[in-house]
Amino acid sequence: DAGVIQSPRHEVTEMGQEVTLRCKPISGHDYLFWYRQTMMRGLELLIYFNNNVPIDDSGMPEDRFSAKMPNASFSTLKIQPSEPRDSAVYFCASSFRSAGTDTQYFGPGTRLTVL
Amino acid sequence: AQSVTQLGSHVSVSEGALVLLRCNYSSSVPPYLFWYVQYPNQGLQLLLKYTSAATLVKGINGFEAEFKKSETSFHLTKPSAHMSDAAEYFCAVSEGGADGLTFGKGTHLIIQP
Repeated sequence: DAGVIQSPRHEVTEMGQEVTLRCKPISGHDYLFWYRQTMMRGLELLIYFNNNVPIDDSGMPEDRFSAKMPNASFSTLKIQPSEPRDSAVYFCASSFRSAGTDTQYFGPGTRLTVL
Repeated sequence: AQSVTQLGSHVSVSEGALVLLRCNYSSSVPPYLFWYVQYPNQGLQLLLKYTSAATLVKGINGFEAEFKKSETSFHLTKPSAHMSDAAEYFCAVSEGGADGLTFGKGTHLIIQP
């Protein structure tokens, strides 16, 4: 299996620009999660989907952030407009609901730098 | 609300010595507990998870953790440290098996030769 695929791996942009991060979950997984990792706040859950439907977006920091999952094999996290404080590593993870507890499989992350 | 506290942002042990990474949790319902490892510039990899079955959980790479409800703890141990164990370790909790994870701040494990 290819695992969770994220693109791009690195993104450098200027303040005010739109940024789109992409994620392809593991085939057959029905849950998808977006996390953000910073030195100050650690790992935070931003939003998660079940069967392409957003379930909990309470971690999305503000209206500049939006996430979509148009189909079972693709999700995007968009920041518009971007700000320097959005600089972080953004992780996507996916899992499959089964009897018991699900294991979340993480992608390699996208390192975002906003200048 | 759930939370996780990892005691010690950095832990240093000698190669071959016991590794002990501490994790305490807070949860309003019986929790699901996890330990993940992160190597530099990589994503997170699951080491082990507690799912209300056996309280002593064995994971990959010789790691294990014991769930102690009375102490609300889920400490991670390994009898003998190896240089390849140097990494960042995260404890996480979920109140529903398929819900998002709440992570601790992480513990950076340093292995001294």
